[in-house]
Amino acid sequence: QVQLQQWGAGLLKPSETLSLTCAVYGGSFSGYFWSWIRQAPEKGLEWIGEINHSGSTTYNPSLKSRVTISIDTSKNQFSLTLNSVTAADTALYYCAKLGSSIWGQGTMVTVSS
Amino acid sequence: DIQMTQSPSSLSASVGDRVTITCRASQSISSYLNWYQQKPGKAPKHLIYDASSLQSGVPSRFSGSGSGTDFTLTISSLQPEDFATYFCQQGYSTPWTFGQGTKVEIK
Repeated sequence: QVQLQQWGAGLLKPSETLSLTCAVYGGSFSGYFWSWIRQAPEKGLEWIGEINHSGSTTYNPSLKSRVTISIDTSKNQFSLTLNSVTAADTALYYCAKLGSSIWGQGTMVTVSS
Repeated sequence: DIQMTQSPSSLSASVGDRVTITCRASQSISSYLNWYQQKPGKAPKHLIYDASSLQSGVPSRFSGSGSGTDFTLTISSLQPEDFATYFCQQGYSTPWTFGQGTKVEIK
């Protein structure tokens, strides 16, 4: 079955750039939208944005000015870049296929000076 | 954005109890509603899609209902493994949004 494996830096300073990558294993990469979602400590879930295999993206307007989601179909991977991070961006970040149980293991990103 | 409001935010229940969680959308979302279960330190698990369709492998004690703006997740007989946080998520329009969660605790 499809599994997601994600990785990226977990500790950033304010104003730095968050960068995470998610690899899709064991199933079809095309034909679906792949999302990034985050969960601040003791908070709910916030959808960041999504991309499909053609590179078509949709972003949450609350983050749109700082977010880029890209895709590498040759590697079955998609990536998240979030610019100019602040402490408010401290959260557990997931890659996922929404509407399924296909989620990455999560990456805790802490922004601290 | 469509706001999703869950109630209650937490509840205490005993094994065998019937549990009901409500999710209300700020506008009609037809039946485009997902429910997830999340346990500490784990990614969410998808339970229900299209408001009332059970995801494959999910026990039949879980059920969902509703359409428009008001939705319900029911656990007919709470089991020890069901103590977790439950989220609703609308799939009607982007940005996709989630309820704030309902934590089901042991009484």
